[in-house]
Amino acid sequence: GQNIDQPTEMTATEGAIVQINCTYQTSGFNGLFWYQQHAGEAPTFLSYNVLDGLEEKGRFSSFLSRSKGYSYLLLKELQMKDSASYLCAVRDEDYKLSFGAGTTVTVRA
Amino acid sequence: EAQVTQNPRYLITVTGKKLTVTCSQNMNHEYMSWYRQDPGLGLRQIYYSMNVEVTDKGDVPEGYKVSRKEKRNFPLILESPSPNQTSLYFCASRQQGISNQPQHFGDGTRLSIL
Repeated sequence: GQNIDQPTEMTATEGAIVQINCTYQTSGFNGLFWYQQHAGEAPTFLSYNVLDGLEEKGRFSSFLSRSKGYSYLLLKELQMKDSASYLCAVRDEDYKLSFGAGTTVTVRA
Repeated sequence: EAQVTQNPRYLITVTGKKLTVTCSQNMNHEYMSWYRQDPGLGLRQIYYSMNVEVTDKGDVPEGYKVSRKEKRNFPLILESPSPNQTSLYFCASRQQGISNQPQHFGDGTRLSIL
């Protein structure tokens, strides 16, 4: 099966920057997604990477290195509402999407 | 409004009593999928469907059935629920054929099997 690893928890201060790493080993690669999930709610789409490099969307950026099987999600100017779980998901050669266990980010005042 | 709708949102039931969780999407998406989410394990795919009358097993299909008689609906059936199926369930859909299209998730169904 697929292997997707991300840290379980991270804590940061309001206004700071946090970087959530994701490493993966999959059979083939057809894109990597980041989702945000607030407690008890549905995951919502944040970003998509299929080529190497950085994709920026406002306060959130996502980076991909296919040769290293590595991605990160960068959250800048952290706000209290950013406290949530962040899910890394990778699509393999059969277009099957597999999720990591998620990283819970806690933003402190 | 584009959405994926699941019902019920919460259900407490007993072992062995058949139940169905409905899922409906209004985006004309070909692809639909069911996941369960358990602490420390993330989202695991139960079944998926590439189009009407086409379904296939995901990573954890045991104890579940699905059907796809119409494009918009993808119900999840637990014929004889057991306590290890207590979980948070999500239905999702996406458009096929466009690589950067993300999955859209329903609001989730929290099932407790006693």
